[in-house]
Amino acid sequence: NAGVTQTPKFQVLKTGQSMTLQCAQDMNHNSMYWYRQDPGMGLRLIYYSASEGTTDKGEVPNGYNVSRLNKREFSLRLESAAPSQTSVYFCAGGERTASGNTIYFGEGSWLTVV
Amino acid sequence: EDQVTQSPEALRLQEGESSSLNCSYTVSGLRGLFWYRQDPGKGPEFLFTLYSAGEEKEKERLKATLTKKESFLHITAPKPEDSATYLCAVQAPSYDKVIFGPGTSLSVIP
Repeated sequence: NAGVTQTPKFQVLKTGQSMTLQCAQDMNHNSMYWYRQDPGMGLRLIYYSASEGTTDKGEVPNGYNVSRLNKREFSLRLESAAPSQTSVYFCAGGERTASGNTIYFGEGSWLTVV
Repeated sequence: EDQVTQSPEALRLQEGESSSLNCSYTVSGLRGLFWYRQDPGKGPEFLFTLYSAGEEKEKERLKATLTKKESFLHITAPKPEDSATYLCAVQAPSYDKVIFGPGTSLSVIP
């Protein structure tokens, strides 16, 4: 998973608090993604960014905002954390070609909202 | 709606016992189908991309195949270090979304 770095790795929040998950990739990929992974639910797409300056909603965007700061960085913000947002969050980077878009993941950020 | 399902949910194999994992998908105009391996506490690790029906890819004891409606990940003579969750994902042509299935948890017993 070298190339995609997420911080922090672990975080505990109280309900209503806000925080930002940071992600940076050094693979020069155009596309970046934020997923959450929950037991029995698999990986679900929160937001993605096809290129610098653009962002789009995925399957589960409610309660989150994102910023594609530049080509390298894509942050995920929880404005008012809820217990339902307790999850493992994965950032990924990908390169779009005419044949598809292979994406590469970071190591994950474990978030607990109490 | 684009959807990915995987079966079985969990699979236990004896070392050396070959088997296959299934990934079924419904997507309008598949651009690519991906297989990933995920170890506990880690991010998914890319294994293969398949683009068209009939295509096959191999890596060590793993071989991935693709038809118009499903993909198989064949594991030949597995070893305990092959134990992991295997994830399938698909991408449609009209956007950059990559949608994942729930995964198959594989345990290989020595």
